[in-house]
Amino acid sequence: DTGVSQDPRHKITKRGQNVTFRCDPISEHNRLYWYRQTLGQGPEFLTYFQNEAQLEKSRLLSDRFSAERPKGSFSTLEIQRTEQGDSAMYLCASSLGWDGYTFGSGTRLTVV
Amino acid sequence: AQKITQTQPGMFVQEKEAVTLDCTYDTSDPSYGLFWYKQPSSGEMIFLIYQGSYDQQNATEGRYSLNFQKARKSANLVISASQLGDSAMYFCAMRESVAGANNLFFGTGTRLTVIP
Repeated sequence: DTGVSQDPRHKITKRGQNVTFRCDPISEHNRLYWYRQTLGQGPEFLTYFQNEAQLEKSRLLSDRFSAERPKGSFSTLEIQRTEQGDSAMYLCASSLGWDGYTFGSGTRLTVV
Repeated sequence: AQKITQTQPGMFVQEKEAVTLDCTYDTSDPSYGLFWYKQPSSGEMIFLIYQGSYDQQNATEGRYSLNFQKARKSANLVISASQLGDSAMYFCAMRESVAGANNLFFGTGTRLTVIP
C-alpha cells in the first residue's frame, strides 16, 4: 500500500487548453473524493465517488469539469477550456469508512 | 455561516513547548466527526487525529490530542513537545452525517512555526 497517488504533481497550461489529472486511491478504499485548494484557503469539496458511481458534485464543479472513476479504481478529473481562476491545488482522497480520509500529494495547476 | 472557523492565521511556538491550535465548528447534526490535518510545504494533507461527536473521551495520538468541548463547539488541537518538523499548515475539518454529506468541510488553516 503506497497511499494515494496523484499525477502529475505540477501542470502548467495555457488558458483555453484542456487538462486531465489522475488519482490512484488506496486499493481497498471504495470511496474517492476530489478537492480543490486555492492559495491561503482550506480544501473545498468538488466531487465524490463510491466505487464507480459519482454520487455527489459540488456547485463548484462547473460544466467545464468532469470526473470519472471507471471500474471503481483510479479516477480522472478533466478541466476543459481552462481559465486563470482554475489555478489551484487539486487534491484527491480516498477512504473505506467515515473516519479515515487519506489524501494524495495533489496536483498543482497553473493556468497562464 | 462558516462550518469550521480557525481564528489563528499563524502561531509560533518554541521547540519542546506545547501549543494549542483553535477550531470552532457549527452544525445542527447530532452526529459528526472532527479531523485535524497537517499540510507541509510539499502539499500532502496528513491525517493527525479524529474525534467523533459521541466519543466520551478526548482523542489522543502520540503527541497530538484533541480538546473536545461539545457544548462550546470547539475542537482544539494540542501538540505537545513541539519539534521543528511540526512547522506546517494545520487544518481542522468536519464531516456531518446527514444524508448526502460525504465531504469534509475545512477551515482556513493555521500556519505553525516552531522556533529552535
